[in-house]
Amino acid sequence: KNQVEQSPQSLIILEGKNCTLQCNYTVSPFSNLRWYKQDTGRGPVSLTIMTFSENTKSNGRYTATLDADTKQSSLHITASQLSDSASYICVVSASNQAGTALIFGKGTTLSVSS
Amino acid sequence: EPEVTQTPSHQVTQMGQEVILRCVPISNHLYFYWYRQILGQKVEFLVSFYNNEISEKSEIFDDQFSVERPDGSNFTLKIRSTKLEDSAMYFCASSTPRGRMGNQPQHFGDGTRLSIL
Repeated sequence: KNQVEQSPQSLIILEGKNCTLQCNYTVSPFSNLRWYKQDTGRGPVSLTIMTFSENTKSNGRYTATLDADTKQSSLHITASQLSDSASYICVVSASNQAGTALIFGKGTTLSVSS
Repeated sequence: EPEVTQTPSHQVTQMGQEVILRCVPISNHLYFYWYRQILGQKVEFLVSFYNNEISEKSEIFDDQFSVERPDGSNFTLKIRSTKLEDSAMYFCASSTPRGRMGNQPQHFGDGTRLSIL
């Protein structure tokens, strides 16, 4: 069964600190992995998209990694800011002859405090 | 920066009634999607739409649901005979021609909160 599991479920850090969010997936056949940021009451916003051949991708203070062998991804946030407080969602895309499915994780809720 | 806009932001409807959720995708995008997020749960894919037809749909998207692009700018989700369990946030998204569900980001609207009474 295609699944995306994220950890931790929630995280509280102090402003300026770094943090790493984890995503494990069992999705086949794998097409790409995406990280989204979702502010409360808003739609998800794309942070990174990685294909099978990409190991790392950065977007400002966000750096995502992908290990396709172990089926793990991480999102590292550097020098956190109060505005980073949001839910971070890992989404894996699977493609086969029947079509393409997006499998969402439940998200990690990050709270950055001053 | 272009945005996906959704209306209304909140829709309250009596059970059994029909609702139409409206979306205006980004103007040069050709792939359109609907998702839903039940309160406290993860986002779920409903349907994707390209070239005036459904390209993929999930098990959730049964005969109760339909989508339409009635003109060159709007993309709608119709839910017939609504049930209590249809209460959720419904998100519309769009992506560029090379996107489909490939390697282009999907741009999401801020959603319509649907409350069924």
